[in-house]
Amino acid sequence: AQSVTQLDSQVPVFEEAPVELRCNYSSSVSVYLFWYVQYPNQGLQLLLKYLSGSTLVKGINGFEAEFNKSQTSFHLRKPSVHISDTAEYFCAVSGRYGNKLVFGAGTILRVKS
Amino acid sequence: GAGVSQSPRYKVAKRGQDVALRCDPISGHVSLFWYQQALGQGPEFLTYFQNEAQLDKSGLPSDRFFAERPEGSVSTLKIQRTQQEDSAVYLCASSLDPTGDYGYTFGSGTRLTVV
Repeated sequence: AQSVTQLDSQVPVFEEAPVELRCNYSSSVSVYLFWYVQYPNQGLQLLLKYLSGSTLVKGINGFEAEFNKSQTSFHLRKPSVHISDTAEYFCAVSGRYGNKLVFGAGTILRVKS
Repeated sequence: GAGVSQSPRYKVAKRGQDVALRCDPISGHVSLFWYQQALGQGPEFLTYFQNEAQLDKSGLPSDRFFAERPEGSVSTLKIQRTQQEDSAVYLCASSLDPTGDYGYTFGSGTRLTVV
């Protein structure tokens, strides 16, 4: 079975500052890793995913994440945030061939001007 | 359609009432998933279809929950005798690949409130 821990429930940050949203996972099998973003009253939108290969994954809207197998982490980063990045971000894991995603509890990113 | 469409967007049900939530996946998408998102929580898996076959229903919380996808496209999640703990956003997602391993497209969800 897999589980996901998002270490921060809320992250406040000023506009144009860098941000890191932390995600740790546990699994007994090889995994696929995902970050999704959810804007108010909307569904989840895929930001990026790690399936295999390079451990640094680039996604949409300038976000990137690094898979660290030894630390079982998949932290999300952006070098300079915008007001429009204010949303809730979910880290998720699936076991290979496992189909279903296991989500963390989410991190609310609040970008302040 | 261009995206995953869910209806209704909002549903208020009296305790004990039956409800049906509809999901129209992206045309041609093989796999379809239902998730339940309680307030302040991440989504939790309910069930998974590959075409019309329901391959995993391990996440359905009780036998009051039932899902179907009879023709391999539109899916309906039915909740019988709703309880207050069923209040949540129900998210549908679909994927072109049969297993959904590579990520999928979510709909905007149906917010169910049981009063």
